[in-house]
Amino acid sequence: DTAVSQTPKYLVTQMGNDKSIKCEQNLGHDTMYWYKQDSKKFLKIMFSYNNKELIINETVPNRFSPKSPDKAHLNLHINSLELGDSAVYFCASSQDPGTTFSGANVLTFGAGSRLTVL
Amino acid sequence: GQNIDQPTEMTATEGAIVQINCTYQTSGFNGLFWYQQHAGEAPTFLSYNVLDGLEEKGRFSSFLSRSKGYSYLLLKELQMKDSASYLCAVRDRGGSGGSYIPTFGRGTSLIVHP
Repeated sequence: DTAVSQTPKYLVTQMGNDKSIKCEQNLGHDTMYWYKQDSKKFLKIMFSYNNKELIINETVPNRFSPKSPDKAHLNLHINSLELGDSAVYFCASSQDPGTTFSGANVLTFGAGSRLTVL
Repeated sequence: GQNIDQPTEMTATEGAIVQINCTYQTSGFNGLFWYQQHAGEAPTFLSYNVLDGLEEKGRFSSFLSRSKGYSYLLLKELQMKDSASYLCAVRDRGGSGGSYIPTFGRGTSLIVHP
């Protein structure tokens, strides 16, 4: 009955490899996000999708490719991993993208996926 | 974009009151959030302010002054379990789609000791 679930929770891999993180939400939300949290705990937006359509891409290298097969899923594929990609990646969802003055539109986060690149 | 500033770390005693400040600079302001994040866990929503004033929710209260670009989170009757990082996030217009995406500050690590 987890609201936002992401897998895997931990991922250790070598530089240059390609890896994917999956995310699913069962809240019926329209909007999903990927955030990156670095070692200094700074939580930074990477991508946002609304109803499977990309609406935000915040200056992320094109080695990162999000894919949303339906509005309940947002996966993140990373090519040619680099040391600097090591971080915790959080998936989140919200009712809508907040384009109207429609209240809190709270983010619900997944438990995070800790990626370590060696 | 936004410029969000909050103290890196604070310490307080169990049973006490602590105030965590957040200042921000932004255009198109549309709400300020506080989230709590325990070590190794996901951030969880605490409070939301979009109009000036104080929002109270049990032991936690949050205040907003839009003209000053300032908010604080007030935690009363501190408990050991309140030791966590507290993240201030500002919602602003961002992206070509005109969506309001919350941008997070670096968080304040609160340590509650006996």
